Amino acid sequence: EAQVTQNPRYLITVTGKKLTVTCSQNMNHEYMSWYRQDPGLGLRQIYYSMNVEVTDKGDVPEGYKVSRKEKRNFPLILESPSPNQTSLYFCASSSHGVNEKLFFGSGTQLSVL
Amino acid sequence: QKEVEQDPGPLSVPEGAIVSLNCTYSNSAFQYFMWYRQYSRKGPELLMYTYSSGNKEDGRFTAQVDKSSKYISLFIRDSQPSDSATYLCAMSKTQGGSEKLVFGKGTKLTVNP
Repeated sequence: EAQVTQNPRYLITVTGKKLTVTCSQNMNHEYMSWYRQDPGLGLRQIYYSMNVEVTDKGDVPEGYKVSRKEKRNFPLILESPSPNQTSLYFCASSSHGVNEKLFFGSGTQLSVL
Repeated sequence: QKEVEQDPGPLSVPEGAIVSLNCTYSNSAFQYFMWYRQYSRKGPELLMYTYSSGNKEDGRFTAQVDKSSKYISLFIRDSQPSDSATYLCAMSKTQGGSEKLVFGKGTKLTVNP
């Protein structure tokens, strides 16, 4: 089944404790992206990757890191999480970019205390 | 003025009603227009995709784009309880040599049996 898999689904952590949210897709997609979704603010792009080893900032990249060492994986790293990073996070992928169908993961609900 | 405006609702209708969901935008650079549907605790999924002004129909769903008025709509005919979800409009433009996708904040729809 074609899918984007995120882990974990739920995560509670404390300020300053490094964490990684994993994202993997099995569709051989070149484009991958991370979004955060907050009430009243909608979906905002954090980082995106057009292909392996190519990443770029989205609208709200501060406090986040990403890497794209393999085509299928695009982990999101929070080196020193803060409470304002409490949010619902989605990973998404498509064949070549945003003008094609984006496939979203099921989301990761992160709470930073 | 925000680039993409979408009334968050909530919108509550009886089963069988015709539903109209709308977004306005301010930037004429937007070229591709999409509607995503997001069920509770799930990632968004692409529902409709249009490029040019006019109507596009898919079953009970019709997407309408009016570029002259900078206005897009999604109509749902014979609405069903299974249509209860949040509907996100999205539109893309070329910015700085790359494609940028901007989402509306979403309209929450409830279809009552």
